[in-house]
Amino acid sequence: NFMLTQPHSVSESPGKTVTISCTGSSGSIASNYVQWYQQRPGSAPTTVIYEDNQRPSGVPDRFSGSIDSSSNSASLTISGLKTEDEADYYCQSYDSSNSWVFGGGTKLTVL
Amino acid sequence: QMQLVQSGPEVKKPGTSVKVSCKASGFTFTSSAMQWVRQARGQRLEWIGWIVVGSGNTNYAQKFQERVTITRDMSTSTAYMELSSLRSEDTAVYYCAAGASIAVARYWGQGTLVTVSS
Repeated sequence: NFMLTQPHSVSESPGKTVTISCTGSSGSIASNYVQWYQQRPGSAPTTVIYEDNQRPSGVPDRFSGSIDSSSNSASLTISGLKTEDEADYYCQSYDSSNSWVFGGGTKLTVL
Repeated sequence: QMQLVQSGPEVKKPGTSVKVSCKASGFTFTSSAMQWVRQARGQRLEWIGWIVVGSGNTNYAQKFQERVTITRDMSTSTAYMELSSLRSEDTAVYYCAAGASIAVARYWGQGTLVTVSS
């Protein structure tokens, strides 16, 4: 079964840059789009990156997504960290049967 | 403004069924795909299934294959997720999410808490 693995938690200071990784268990992560969702405590998820590196309108350009085929991983990078960025972040892709797969989520602490 | 509005919280007995609705507005419902995702308290997001609104084609996670039905009503721009044979482990917040294809969710509903308790 295709799986996505994320670090359990990351932390960084305001104003700095943080990168969250999402590693595919098999195949090529570049074969299917990867999305990233932000979920603040007590709220529904929102989409911050879709189709690997596209930002929905309203998402600041401090958020960027990329794919690294050599490590079979996707990354979400947040620059100029703000306290409001503190949230859980989930990566998502899909397998050969078009069934969605989520990563386990990464808790971002901005301190 | 693109919006998905879900039905209110539900409390169900074990063994019964629940049907959650998700009404879309602000985008072309018939050209979209609707996902259903759930999240138990303190747990990760878990995918349940999707429906391609225009064709009615569906795909369900193997875990829910025998118990879930996702449908849509194009006349009211509403998608539905029905889960049967409920057990306590189904207690979770259920979300709908929409996108232009089955690959992506751009918009999310506010979530519906389903509590299964005797």
